[in-house]
Amino acid sequence: DGGITQSPKYLFRKEGQNVTLSCEQNLNHDAMYWYRQDPGQGLRLIYYSQIVNDFQKGDIAEGYSVSREKKESFPLTVTSAQKNPTAFYLCASTTPATDTQYFGPGTRLTVL
Amino acid sequence: GESVGLHLPTLSVQEGDNSIINCAYSNSASDYFIWYKQESGKGPQFIIDIRSNMDKRQGQRVTVLLNKTVKHLSLQIAATQPGDSAVYFCAENGNDYKLSFGAGTTVTVRA
Repeated sequence: DGGITQSPKYLFRKEGQNVTLSCEQNLNHDAMYWYRQDPGQGLRLIYYSQIVNDFQKGDIAEGYSVSREKKESFPLTVTSAQKNPTAFYLCASTTPATDTQYFGPGTRLTVL
Repeated sequence: GESVGLHLPTLSVQEGDNSIINCAYSNSASDYFIWYKQESGKGPQFIIDIRSNMDKRQGQRVTVLLNKTVKHLSLQIAATQPGDSAVYFCAENGNDYKLSFGAGTTVTVRA
């Protein structure tokens, strides 16, 4: 998992609630990413940020929001507008010197 | 559209044998490819990468082969061990610092 931490490991949410997933890295990486993983599927990009105070939508951004106020942190908020939020969420980071993305341990979100 | 995919969703291999995991890609502009290993409940772990100016790269017990003519990527694991049981993903760089991932191959090692 390198120097990328995600918390919490497990998260339970009631329908209609917003929840925020934490992602922190101490690798001094500029770019950070959020992915969603569903059973038997590959990773789908939600949002990414190449630099502080800037971020772009990925392929499935609807119902999610992010912020990038610090280089080390890239929190993801799953809003009540996300109709099917139960999934495994992965955060990754990379430096411009390489395209290699390094992943955190993930957060498993379950909607009750 | 462009996509990255693995040929087989599952692979069962006898402990000690060699494993070969395949991946096909369709974006001819991709110039960087990565193999990841993901154990159950954990984040993907970097295994090995290769750039398009190479056709082979070796690591510890792993080798990645790239055939740009047929847009094919493979991961070979030598002397497969029980700890190699996991889901393996290939990924290619797209545009704007984004990676595209295949659905993954689940490798099960038989004792």
